[in-house]
Amino acid sequence: AQRVTQPEKLLSVFKGAPVELKCNYSYSGSPELFWYVQYSRQRLQLLLRHISRESIKGFTADLNKGETSFHLKKPFAQEEDSAMYYCALSWGTDKLIFGTGTRLQVFP
Amino acid sequence: DTEVTQTPKHLVMGMTNKKSLKCEQHMGHRAMYWYKQKAKKPPELMFVYSYEKLSINESVPSRFSPECPNSSLLNLHLHALQPEDSALYLCASSHPTGRGARTEAFFGQGTRLTVV
Repeated sequence: AQRVTQPEKLLSVFKGAPVELKCNYSYSGSPELFWYVQYSRQRLQLLLRHISRESIKGFTADLNKGETSFHLKKPFAQEEDSAMYYCALSWGTDKLIFGTGTRLQVFP
Repeated sequence: DTEVTQTPKHLVMGMTNKKSLKCEQHMGHRAMYWYKQKAKKPPELMFVYSYEKLSINESVPSRFSPECPNSSLLNLHLHALQPEDSALYLCASSHPTGRGARTEAFFGQGTRLTVV
């Protein structure tokens, strides 16, 4: 069955430290992978998607089909990056499922 | 307008009540979703409508009944719910762009449902 795994429930770093939020997926075909972010008291919103191959707010993510991973990285964390991050998988044209989420805490 | 609007924001209902959650988008998206999110958990997919037809039902109990009256509206009718159905219900929409790809999913703020 299709699944998204985020092994860390909580990741705490200090401002300026590098950040890597891990995401692994299980799907045998050609998936679409996304990172969604939920800031405190805000709605869930897209951070980035693998087909765009762009950097948003300093975050990047590379799809590694061999390792079935889509880890989210940022070289220098900022306090405003503190939020809940969900890795998501889409296939076909309709289904979109989420991983368990990682809460990122960035301390000053 | 890039918003998905959900009403009401909060709802308290008894186990014998019938109520409806509403979702609206005016982005021309033709896929609309209902998700259930319990505290400290990820959103769980419930239903997907594609071009106003139900395309996915993730084995949701029949006390939840979705409806898509037109391409902009999505309802979730609730009847005889249980206290464990208390959760945040999220609506989302997206649009297929061809070749199996789609736009990002835009989410509403959610309806916080409490069943007493």
